[in-house]
Formats: sequence, structure tokens, C-alpha cells
Amino acid sequence: KQEVTQIPAALSVPEGENLVLNCSFTDSAIYNLQWFRQDPGKGLTSLLLIQSSQREQTSGRLNASLDKSSGRSTLYIAASQPGDSATYLCAVTEYNFNKFYFGSGTKLNVKP
Amino acid sequence: GAVVSQHPSRVICKSGTSVKIECRSLDFQATTMFWYRQFPKQSLMLMATSNEGSKATYEQGVEKDKFLINHASLTLSTLTVTSAHPEDSSFYICSARDLAGAATDTQYFGPGTRLTVL
Repeated sequence: KQEVTQIPAALSVPEGENLVLNCSFTDSAIYNLQWFRQDPGKGLTSLLLIQSSQREQTSGRLNASLDKSSGRSTLYIAASQPGDSATYLCAVTEYNFNKFYFGSGTKLNVKP
Repeated sequence: GAVVSQHPSRVICKSGTSVKIECRSLDFQATTMFWYRQFPKQSLMLMATSNEGSKATYEQGVEKDKFLINHASLTLSTLTVTSAHPEDSSFYICSARDLAGAATDTQYFGPGTRLTVL
């Protein structure tokens, strides 16, 4: 069964710092990997989607990489801002995008 | 982008009662919807996959008689928590796959429903 792990569980950084969030998965036979943001008591906002054939995706200050063979992904956030404070979840899907497996998330706090 | 709504956003009920949560795709058709549960400080766990016009597929360990799922149309799926107990208190989130999902490869998530059972 696919298991997704995220490290660290929590992270507190001063504003302006660049940071990296890590995600690992046990079964490399994934269809794609997606990074989400979740604000307290809210649903999920999709940030970046990486297909299994891709190595990275970028959106603004965010860059996500994927190394399928080693079962790892990283989310890089450049020049962090207090508005980036949220929980970041990674999830992998298998079998034509029908089933998500989520990590437990990294709670990010960016201090002004 | 596509929008998925959930209603209600919060519900408090007494133990033993039933609660219905609705998940709607507002501007697209969804043949498949998914229901997740999230306990505090934990990640989302898939409960069941809901297919329009057919029975839902439940994940291992999820009681299908307790969590009733109905997907009566291409834009609506409902989750009914029957005979709710305090341990059912959780954050329930649905997602919907766009009918054009094979091309877009995207699921859209609802804002979630906070259920508190007293």
C-alpha cells in the first residue's frame, strides 16, 4: 500500500527566507504528484501538479521537483511571506488519477 | 477554475442522529466524486469513491452502512452519517473529478464540512 511521508511536520521561518518541504512515497508507480495548501479549517488549494513523466513544475515563487525512482518530491518556496503560512500537503495518485494518497502535511509559519 | 461547494460548512448534532452533507460541482459535471475524512493534525484519508448512478466504493475499514453515499446526478453527491457518535466528529472533504478529467487530470476539492457530534 502506498504511504506518503512529509518532513518536517512543522516549520517556522522568518519572512524572506527560502525554504524546502520534503515529501516521500513508498511505491514509485505513481500517475502524478500534487502539492496542496490548506488553511486552518478550510479545504485544499492545488498549488502544483507534476505528471509522472515530468521532473519539475514552477508557479511564481513555488517550484516542485519529482524524482520518481527514489520516491521523493520537494516543494521550494522562494522569498517566503507571512501569507504563505498554512499547511502544505503532498499527494500521489495511482491508476489514472482515481485515488489520492496524502501525506500528513507540513505546517509552515512565516514570521513577519 | 472549477468550483466545488459543500453544505453545510459546519454542523453540530446530538449523538444518535443522522447528518447529511452535500457536495456539488458548480460549473462542471463530475461522474466521480470522492469523500475524505480528516482528523485534527492528521492528513486526509479517503473514505469512498462515489460514481454517478452506481454504488459507492468504500475503502477498507469504512462502514458502508454508517456512511451512506448517494451520487444521484452529475453535479451532486451526498454523504449521510447515520447514528452519529462523538468519534465521528471530524472534518469531511469532498472532491470531484471533471468529466474531462482524462485531459485535465484534475480533481477539485470542496471547502469541507466540520461535523461535531455531542
